Amino acid sequence: DAGITQSPRHKVTETGTPVTLRCHQTENHRYMYWYRQDPGHGLRLIHYSYGVKDTDKGEVSDGYSVSRSKTEDFLLTLESATSSQTSVYFCAFRGGEGADTQYFGPGTRLTVL
Amino acid sequence: AQSVTQLGSHVSVSEGALVLLRCNYSSSVPPYLFWYVQYPNQGLQLLLKYTTGATLVKGINGFEAEFKKSETSFHLTKPSAHMSDAAEYFCAVSSSGGYQKVTFGTGTKLQVIP
Repeated sequence: DAGITQSPRHKVTETGTPVTLRCHQTENHRYMYWYRQDPGHGLRLIHYSYGVKDTDKGEVSDGYSVSRSKTEDFLLTLESATSSQTSVYFCAFRGGEGADTQYFGPGTRLTVL
Repeated sequence: AQSVTQLGSHVSVSEGALVLLRCNYSSSVPPYLFWYVQYPNQGLQLLLKYTTGATLVKGINGFEAEFKKSETSFHLTKPSAHMSDAAEYFCAVSSSGGYQKVTFGTGTKLQVIP
């Protein structure tokens, strides 16, 4: 167990509705990340955080926002969900000896109808 | 800039046979290299990593990989495949500094045939 959880694990929503995914870590790691996984694309970075209230964009950030008000929680929000945002979303933190490795949560499968 | 190429989106091996999953990378700085495994409906689990030092790295479940700078490769091997090795494997490259940008390959699904 990597000490990271995601909620919900599955969600089905309608186009145009807002959606928030939550990532929670228990080990006080500074860096956290949100990725999406799509067939043929591997994992692509959406946003990352390097501390409370410190966030920045990744390579596929359009349509997504994030917030980090506490070290342990990193939220991903789809302001107005679209079908192209149907994906599996993974959260990760940077840790390990040397803080050189990303460890992943179990994922959230999001379907936008 | 950094990138990862995994050769073969699907690989099939017989149980007991050698597993070889190929990964080539490009990086403008000395790379950190990783292999992750993903079982169905689960997150990515670290198999092994190379940062500095010994170029042959051993990981969990009997896997190992060798960093070959001259070939820009980091192939994953296991001498004898188990049915439980059936999963998707991702190679990744990262920089050491900053926010640690990680670039993932597109994955290789390993099928183990009894």
